[in-house]
Amino acid sequence: GESVGLHLPTLSVQEGDNSIINCAYSNSASDYFIWYKQESGKGPQFIIDIRSNMDKRQGQRVTVLLNKTVKHLSLQIAATQPGDSAVYFCAENAGTYKYIFGTGTRLKVLA
Amino acid sequence: DVKVTQSSRYLVKRTGEKVFLECVQDMDHENMFWYRQDPGLGLRLIYFSYDVKMKEKGDIPEGYSVSREKKERFSLILESASTNQTSMYLCASAPATTLRGYTFGSGTRLTVV
Repeated sequence: GESVGLHLPTLSVQEGDNSIINCAYSNSASDYFIWYKQESGKGPQFIIDIRSNMDKRQGQRVTVLLNKTVKHLSLQIAATQPGDSAVYFCAENAGTYKYIFGTGTRLKVLA
Repeated sequence: DVKVTQSSRYLVKRTGEKVFLECVQDMDHENMFWYRQDPGLGLRLIYFSYDVKMKEKGDIPEGYSVSREKKERFSLILESASTNQTSMYLCASAPATTLRGYTFGSGTRLTVV
């Protein structure tokens, strides 16, 4: 299997519970943020994004919260399912070509 | 289904070999990127290209070069592979306005022995 994520922090949740994954970003000038999901053996996939003029955005079963005061981003997953098991990481952009990626959190869903 | 395709999922190469990692996208994106992904370090940008035949160094370009002869194809070259280049390599593409993030390939797991 993939060795990516061997040293990642891990969040274990019971199936059906809500999950909260946190990310501290680095650049106070960043104005656009994305959460990615990376399943084993696959590339990262876009989940949800948020601009800095918002503090909350909801998708299907996912919510992203942005706290610019403390440079903190969180991803909430409602009613976590086995298919949610993956590595999740945030990305920030300060208006250039380049994103800065977090190191990720492994989510394990327990049956 | 739009996609970014990396030609190899797994590669094993010997120290000193010249290694080519290929990436093709079918979305007519201007920007293409090569990252490596290592445990605890996240994604680190090696090189990117914003147009055909154009390239820019990322954060860790040493030991690598790239080629973009056609818009859809972006190749990463390890001139002389070393064991510290053992990693997961991810290719990504994005339109000229990079909001909405990148589309990533599935990655190439390279082991240099």
